Amino acid sequence: AQSVSQHNHHVILSEAASLELGCNYSYGGTVNLFWYVQYPGQHLQLLLKYFSGDPLVKGIKGFEAEFIKSKFSFNLRKPSVQWSDTAEYFCAVKGDDKIIFGKGTRLHILP
Amino acid sequence: DAGVIQSPRHEVTEMGQEVTLRCKPISGHNSLFWYRQTMMRGLELLIYFNNNVPIDDSGMPEDRFSAKMPNASFSTLKIQPSEPRDSAVYFCASRRQGSATEAFFGQGTRLTVV
Repeated sequence: AQSVSQHNHHVILSEAASLELGCNYSYGGTVNLFWYVQYPGQHLQLLLKYFSGDPLVKGIKGFEAEFIKSKFSFNLRKPSVQWSDTAEYFCAVKGDDKIIFGKGTRLHILP
Repeated sequence: DAGVIQSPRHEVTEMGQEVTLRCKPISGHNSLFWYRQTMMRGLELLIYFNNNVPIDDSGMPEDRFSAKMPNASFSTLKIQPSEPRDSAVYFCASRRQGSATEAFFGQGTRLTVV
């Protein structure tokens, strides 16, 4: 069975700081990986996804993630965060047909 | 494209009542997922369908929960009888099975059982 673990439950940063959110997954076969963002009171929206090819994936709003197969990781990064990045971030994995989410990381950016 | 449409957006009901949540997936998507979001448990997969057939309902918490997908454009999640601990935001998502695409989420239904 597949599972996802997000290391940080709550992160507080100042504007312009760099961001890295950890994500590890467990699955024995080929995976597809995702990062979603949920702004307060809204539904989940896709930030970026990995299906195959270049393990460094670039998404919207300056976010990127790197798939490291040997570490079963898919960490999310952004070199310089903005106040508008305040949201909850979810890592997800699709092994078989179903998509399983981590518990999320609440990111709070101080202006 | 209208996206995934869920109704109602908000539901307040009394304990013991039946609650029905509705979802219309994106046209052409043949996989549909129901998730429940709470502070304590995060985003849990309850059940998913491929081509209107339930594939995995292992996340459905109890027999009080049931889900159906009578056709490709409609799904329901029913709770009978409802309990206060069922209070959560319920999301429906859909995707095209077999494609290199993500799941698209609806706006969610915020359920409060008092």
